[in-house]
Amino acid sequence: GQQVMQIPQYQHVQEGEDFTTYCNSSTTLSNIQWYKQRPGGHPVFLIQLVKSGEVKKQKRLTFQFGEAKKNSSLHITATQTTDVGTYFCAGSPGNDMRFGAGTRLTVKP
Amino acid sequence: ETGVTQTPRHLVMGMTNKKSLKCEQHLGHNAMYWYKQSAKKPLELMFVYSLEERVENNSVPSRFSPECPNSSHLFLHLHTLQPEDSALYLCASSQSGLADFSGANVLTFGAGSRLTVL
Repeated sequence: GQQVMQIPQYQHVQEGEDFTTYCNSSTTLSNIQWYKQRPGGHPVFLIQLVKSGEVKKQKRLTFQFGEAKKNSSLHITATQTTDVGTYFCAGSPGNDMRFGAGTRLTVKP
Repeated sequence: ETGVTQTPRHLVMGMTNKKSLKCEQHLGHNAMYWYKQSAKKPLELMFVYSLEERVENNSVPSRFSPECPNSSHLFLHLHTLQPEDSALYLCASSQSGLADFSGANVLTFGAGSRLTVL
């Protein structure tokens, strides 16, 4: 069925380095949401993107929605140890919402 | 505290046991969900209750049975589970159903129930 693919699966960075995770769909998405799950925790909503080409920022986090509404990215500038966790995208190709497999970020101090 | 409370947080059961997971939301939301989170797999939507209508993933085995007595409470009844059913079961709620793209379909998750089937 329709899937939302997310890469990379894992990313290990040195503190202060940047980090990006990508989300791709074969079909147009009505919207895309991003969630963060800390180790041992549960997913927590970060942001929703709806418009083609939309860019939103939250402090060091920048979220983009592609022009074709088939892809999205989350970029973290100058990672900190508090950024560790798994970042999930969730897209709506139809009347439901599909989660990507997540990108697990580890940050070395 | 997220406003979505799940109990128990941890559960160990044998394959012949019957147990239930409970979820309660205090957010005034109109939709509730059960998700399964297994290692190295995407979050899998199991069941949706929206305005008291049930929508389910047809791939979910019948040994999982949901119950939604009202808009604030959701149960997942477990019967004759298999070891591969061991996972984190997450309850979530949203203001409206998943097809509402205005932002009202943002999910608030509970802390999860970690299930181990022996």
